[in-house]
Amino acid sequence: AQSVTQPDIHITVSEGASLELRCNYSYGATPYLFWYVQSPGQGLQLLLKYFSGDTLVQGIKGFEAEFKRSQSSFNLRKPSVHWSDAAEYFCAGVSKTSYDKVIFGPGTSLSVIP
Amino acid sequence: EAGVTQFPSHSVIEKGQTVTLRCDPISGHDNLYWYRRVMGKEIKFLLHFVKESKQDESGMPNNRFLAERTGGTYSTLKVQPAELEDSGVYFCASSPPLAPGTRNEQYFGPGTRLTVT
Repeated sequence: AQSVTQPDIHITVSEGASLELRCNYSYGATPYLFWYVQSPGQGLQLLLKYFSGDTLVQGIKGFEAEFKRSQSSFNLRKPSVHWSDAAEYFCAGVSKTSYDKVIFGPGTSLSVIP
Repeated sequence: EAGVTQFPSHSVIEKGQTVTLRCDPISGHDNLYWYRRVMGKEIKFLLHFVKESKQDESGMPNNRFLAERTGGTYSTLKVQPAELEDSGVYFCASSPPLAPGTRNEQYFGPGTRLTVT
């Protein structure tokens, strides 16, 4: 069955520290992959997406993600976290070839210590 | 180009009442999806329309939920009667027809926050 997992339910980092949020996927074939962020009281905002090509993807707000086929991973990174990055982050995947539903990971809640 | 819009942005209703959520997809997008995130849980798929037809409604939780897309444009999701466990954020997404050279990327709306008291 298709699935997206995020092993870390909650992460706390200090402002200015680096961040890596983990994501693994299980699909029959490599899906399109996304990272979304949901701030308190807000909707889903797309941070970045991977379709094909370069495995290092740049997104908004200084985020990047690296696709690793051998590890079935698509980890999100940011070199220096800002207090405003505190939010919930969702990794998601969708089939490339069918009108399939987006499958979301369970989310990782990020807290930032000033 | 306007994105996916949802109305209302927030709705507070009492248990047993009826609420109707609306989604306007991006113009030309035949595919329309509903998702929801209830408190503390994952974002889950509810159903998928292709134009006015329900392609997949496997995620609809029970018969208190009714989704329609008359005319293949906007969609409504009615909850009747609402229960406490229906509280959460309801997202709508749309995508264009899957044709050579296009990608199955779904564009999400801002969501409707439903609170049932």
